[in-house]
Amino acid sequence: EIVLTQSPGTLSLSPGERATLSCRASQSVSSSYLAWYQQKPGQAPRLLIYGASSRATGIPDRFSGSGSGTDFTLTISRLEPEDFAVYYCQQYGSSQGLFTFGPGTKVDIK
Amino acid sequence: EVQLVESGGGLVQPGRSLRLSCTASGFTFGDYAMSWVRQAPGKGLEWVGFIRSKAYGGTTEYAASVKGRFTISRDDSKSIAYLQMNSLKTEDTAVYYCTRAQLRYYYYMDVWGKGTTVTVSS
Repeated sequence: EIVLTQSPGTLSLSPGERATLSCRASQSVSSSYLAWYQQKPGQAPRLLIYGASSRATGIPDRFSGSGSGTDFTLTISRLEPEDFAVYYCQQYGSSQGLFTFGPGTKVDIK
Repeated sequence: EVQLVESGGGLVQPGRSLRLSCTASGFTFGDYAMSWVRQAPGKGLEWVGFIRSKAYGGTTEYAASVKGRFTISRDDSKSIAYLQMNSLKTEDTAVYYCTRAQLRYYYYMDVWGKGTTVTVSS
């Protein structure tokens, strides 16, 4: 089973700053199988990025995804107040037919 | 508007059963795989399982933690997905989210319901 590790656990930044979130897989992951989600307190998660770098419908272009193999990155170019949330990466393991999520990175206000 | 609405959550004793429902609207339900994801209090997301569309056999996959206890099914005529949970354990306590799953070239969950809370306690 592929394990996802996210770092840092918490990122304390100010509005307007750049956020760089890391997702590392224990084995190589197809980029097609890597997605990112945002979750705010008391809300359901929301899809941000799929296919490692494709923005979901309605997602602002300040959100971008990159990476391949075992290392993937979610970048928020300039943090808006509504971006302070928890972010999860997700991969799909085709050999086992299952999804796994990373433990999440919390982006909070410095 | 594309929407998923979960129902059926509640308080249940360990060892008992519960069935969750997910009612879809705003899209052609039968064309899509449907998945369940849960979140224990204060914890991260855990995928539970999914069911493929009939066009892809309607087959199911499950996380190891629920395999043999949980069953996902679908009624395309009613646009409803179900999660039958048997032999419930206290560690199954969580908010359960229904999601629409994309399982073609890209694999991800693009529509989420608001969730329903399941509490397993004596």
